[in-house]
Amino acid sequence: GQNIDQPTEMTATEGAIVQINCTYQTSGFNGLFWYQQHAGEAPTFLSYNVLDGLEEKGRFSSFLSRSKGYSYLLLKELQMKDSASYLCAVRDRDNSNYQLIWGAGTKLIIKP
Amino acid sequence: GAVVSQHPSRVICKSGTSVKIECRSLDFQATTMFWYRQFPKKSLMLMATSNEGSKATYEQGVEKDKFLINHASLTLSTLTVTSAHPEDSSFYICSATGLAGEYEQYFGPGTRLTVT
Repeated sequence: GQNIDQPTEMTATEGAIVQINCTYQTSGFNGLFWYQQHAGEAPTFLSYNVLDGLEEKGRFSSFLSRSKGYSYLLLKELQMKDSASYLCAVRDRDNSNYQLIWGAGTKLIIKP
Repeated sequence: GAVVSQHPSRVICKSGTSVKIECRSLDFQATTMFWYRQFPKKSLMLMATSNEGSKATYEQGVEKDKFLINHASLTLSTLTVTSAHPEDSSFYICSATGLAGEYEQYFGPGTRLTVT
């Protein structure tokens, strides 16, 4: 079956670094996405990985290992505004519409 | 970047009435639109996928006669919740992709539906 696992909640301190992990088991793979979602708002795109390795974009980086079915989102120099849910999603190649299979999200709480 | 709008942002309706939610791609042509619902503290649940000019594909467990989806143009899709009940109260979000195979889904701001 299709399954994406990520921790339910994490807490970190302002200015620190946090790593949010995501593991997946899907029938096909055509990329992994990370989205940020603030409470009551729609998700916003953070990153996309389709090849193994690290993609860096400012304070945020995302890593992918296809052989391990594993990804992580790394957030540096945490700010209070980073408090949000972070959603991991996999694009399933076996679907012609390239639907995304979503994880349940990780709620990140930033403390001063 | 690509912008997707949704209207209304919030709606309160009485049980038994129908509500229409619009999703528009403002600066690109959306070949595929997705409709999601999200319960508090839960992840996104895909309801249906629609391609312009064809019938929507509903996910298992989603009643197509209750959640009517129309994707009549490349910039507009509508979701109509028919005979709404309190359990239909939820956050409904649409997303869209442009060219076939484009990897990113662009999300609308969501619609908060409350059925009293």
